[in-house]
This record gives sequence, C-alpha cells and structure tokens, in this order.
Amino acid sequence: EVQLVESGGGLVKPGASLKLSCVASGFTFSDYWMSWVRQTPGKTMEWIGDIKYDGSYTNYAPSLKNRFTISRDNAKSTLYLQMSNVRSEDTATYYCTQLRRVLGFAYWGQGTLVTVSS
Amino acid sequence: DIQMTQSPSFLSASVGERVTLSCKASQNINKYLDWYQQKLGEAPKLLIYNTNNLHTGIPSRFSGSGSGTDYTLTISSLQPEDVATYFCLQRNSWPRTFGAGTKLELK
Repeated sequence: EVQLVESGGGLVKPGASLKLSCVASGFTFSDYWMSWVRQTPGKTMEWIGDIKYDGSYTNYAPSLKNRFTISRDNAKSTLYLQMSNVRSEDTATYYCTQLRRVLGFAYWGQGTLVTVSS
Repeated sequence: DIQMTQSPSFLSASVGERVTLSCKASQNINKYLDWYQQKLGEAPKLLIYNTNNLHTGIPSRFSGSGSGTDYTLTISSLQPEDVATYFCLQRNSWPRTFGAGTKLELK
C-alpha cells in the first residue's frame, strides 16, 4: 500500500524559512517522480512543482520558483520542500503526491499545515 | 496559464439522482483532465485520469467525458458516501492548474 507521510508544518513568522518532509513507503521511491501541491484555507488547490525520480530535474510553478525548492533523498525514501521568505499567502496545507506519467497525482499524503503569521 | 472553471460551485442532489459536474478550460487541454474527490478533513483522491479512465478501486457509477475545452464528471446514481468536493486538474501544460471545485451535498 502506498503511504506518504508529511511533516514539518507549523506556525512560522513572515520572512522565515521552513523545510517540509514526506516519507514514502509501499513502493520503490526511486522509481517515481514526486510532486508537492498545496491547498489554501479557502480550499484553492495549487501545484507547487515536480521532481524527477533521480532528483536531476525539477519544475516549479513560476510564482513560487524563486522561494521554493524541491529535493529528495532516495536512500531515505524522503521528499523535501524547502520554503524561504514565507508570506501570509503561503498559509496552506501542503501535500506530497506520487506522480505517474499516465495517472497524474495518483496518491497523496494526509498533508501538513503551514501557518504564516506574526 | 490555463484557467480551469468548474460549475456549479455548489450542488445539492438526492440519493439515486444522476449528477453532472462541469469543468471548462481556457484553451484546448487535449483530454489531459483529471478529477479528484476530497471528503471533509481528508486528502484529495484520484477518481478519473485523462478524461475518462477510472482509477483503481473507484466505483463504476463515476464516469468522465469531454474533449477540447469542456469536460464532465458524472455520477450515475448518487450515494451518501459521494458527499465531497470535486476538483478538476489539467495536465496538458505547465503550470498544472486546478479548478476551484464543486461542493456536492445531499438534498
């Protein structure tokens, strides 16, 4: 069974940095592209970016590219999202997803909530 | 960016009723359209990919259709467990973009 477990969310001040993690199990992590998607408190869904199975390629939403970085450690079956200079509009639940070429965002974690507030 | 417009935003229907949800893209997305179901307090779940392909384990009462810019999710006979918000997503081009969702409730 595919399992994705995010962590690292919480309350953070504007301008700070935060790193989210997503531990994967139930599949060979190094075989799959992975993605991050976020959902605002108003339920708006936003794609953040993708990372290739070996970490050699990433693709981001243009509006987030300069502040967010996706990486992975295949030895630890873990996906990361480094967020810098966070803003109030980054307040959202952040989901990691397994990305399949045909299926798209096939499986999702339960999400981790990030709240940006002073 | 491709804009995805879902309608209606809110829908109330009875058990057993046939329900149709719409998703319209601002340009041709070549059937790269997926549907997700999100129940209250849960993560989204893939229902249908590439317009009309049912994901593993999804009941056959769900179906998808469409082409070009106009796509539809149909529930042939609404069940109580189908109460959720439904999102569409286009994967034809980057950035991938979601619709705002349709919230489906029981009448």
